[in-house]
Amino acid sequence: QQQVKQSPQSLIVQKGGISIINCAYENTAFDYFPWYQQFPGKGPALLIAIRPDVSEKKEGRFTISFNKSAKQFSLHIMDSQPGDSATYFCAASPKNQGGKLIFGQGTELSVKP
Amino acid sequence: KAGVTQTPRYLIKTRGQQVTLSCSPISGHRSVSWYQQTPGQGLQFLFEYFSETQRNKGNFPGRFSGRQFSNSRSEMNVSTLELGDSALYLCASRRGDYGYTFGSGTRLTVV
Repeated sequence: QQQVKQSPQSLIVQKGGISIINCAYENTAFDYFPWYQQFPGKGPALLIAIRPDVSEKKEGRFTISFNKSAKQFSLHIMDSQPGDSATYFCAASPKNQGGKLIFGQGTELSVKP
Repeated sequence: KAGVTQTPRYLIKTRGQQVTLSCSPISGHRSVSWYQQTPGQGLQFLFEYFSETQRNKGNFPGRFSGRQFSNSRSEMNVSTLELGDSALYLCASRRGDYGYTFGSGTRLTVV
């Protein structure tokens, strides 16, 4: 069964702090791992993504860390801002099924000023 | 550059009715996928279309169907609506591999 488990369910961080969201997958047949950010009333927006042959990818304040052997990947948001308050979803795409994404349950992030 | 456009934004239907949702992908994007988002089940893959052909299908009953036209626009249809079909239905498009762009969704309420 292909599953992606995300934690924590909710997260409160002070402005300027680091937000860390974790995901774990059970099946090795994934070859693309994106993170999405969703604001109320909007669709998910692609934030950053990584392939399993890379251990880390950084774009601005957002970093993905990927541990292939542990089947885990995480999103780090540095210098968190109130505008980052949103729901974050990790996802994984099965090999040879590029059109399909399996999503984690989401993390509601609240950044306090 | 226009994003993914979904119509209508909101819809209220009665149990037993059917509904058709529309999605216009970003110009040049040939792949369109549909997802259902609910508080309980989260984001779940419905199906993917590429060049008018269904390439992939999720674990949903046959009441959920879709199609794609030659201009890449896509529609999804849900027949014999049930209360549990109330959800946000999201369409996403992409040009090459990966990197989906989502629309804002259609909020369907079944009463």
